[in-house]
Amino acid sequence: ETGVTQSPTHLIKTRGQQVTLRCSSQSGHNTVSWYQQALGQGPQFIFQYYREEENGRGNFPPRFSGLQFPNYSSELNVNALELDDSALYLCASSPGSLSGGMNTEAFFGQGTRLTVV
Amino acid sequence: AQTVTQSQPEMSVQEAETVTLSCTYDTSESDYYLFWYKQPPSRQMILVIRQEAYKQQNATENRFSVNFQKAAKSFSLKISDSQLGDAAMYFCAYNRRNAGNNRKLIWGLGTSLAVNP
Repeated sequence: ETGVTQSPTHLIKTRGQQVTLRCSSQSGHNTVSWYQQALGQGPQFIFQYYREEENGRGNFPPRFSGLQFPNYSSELNVNALELDDSALYLCASSPGSLSGGMNTEAFFGQGTRLTVV
Repeated sequence: AQTVTQSQPEMSVQEAETVTLSCTYDTSESDYYLFWYKQPPSRQMILVIRQEAYKQQNATENRFSVNFQKAAKSFSLKISDSQLGDAAMYFCAYNRRNAGNNRKLIWGLGTSLAVNP
């Protein structure tokens, strides 16, 4: 167990709806990264939060947004869901921004499986 | 663009035997980290081993070791004395500097490893 928890574990939504996924980071970790993993693919970086500020973003449209709270837990929000948003969403926490301390290991949660119908 | 390539979508090994999973990557950076992550059916990404690019010595963690060839940009994972619990999807990942001086993980497509009793 890594101490990173994600909720819910599974979710089914209808196209056009909005969804919020949650992540509780490991104690002592102030950086949270979100990844999208489509079936049969490797994870793709969505964005990263460091001390409540967005600290980098991947090639995802603005309808993917996030938030980090003072306790360093995080949310991923997706608006106007599309069928292609169906995927496993992974949250990873790490101690400190990955800018310094290149040895920073990312600890992953078990993921949220989102299905858009 | 930085990329990570895993050329073996599927591999199998007999229990107690040794197997090697291959990974190549492309980067113009001189200092970076490389990782092998394991993703069992539970979906949680688990770090297997990491390699610092500036270190010549290959990393080793118990039955897991890497063959890091920096000039060739190759980073293979060797699993010795394979166990049934090693069956999983294995991802090679590269720690890349992102905009804003943070870093994100770039992932390969994964290799599905089956362990035969």
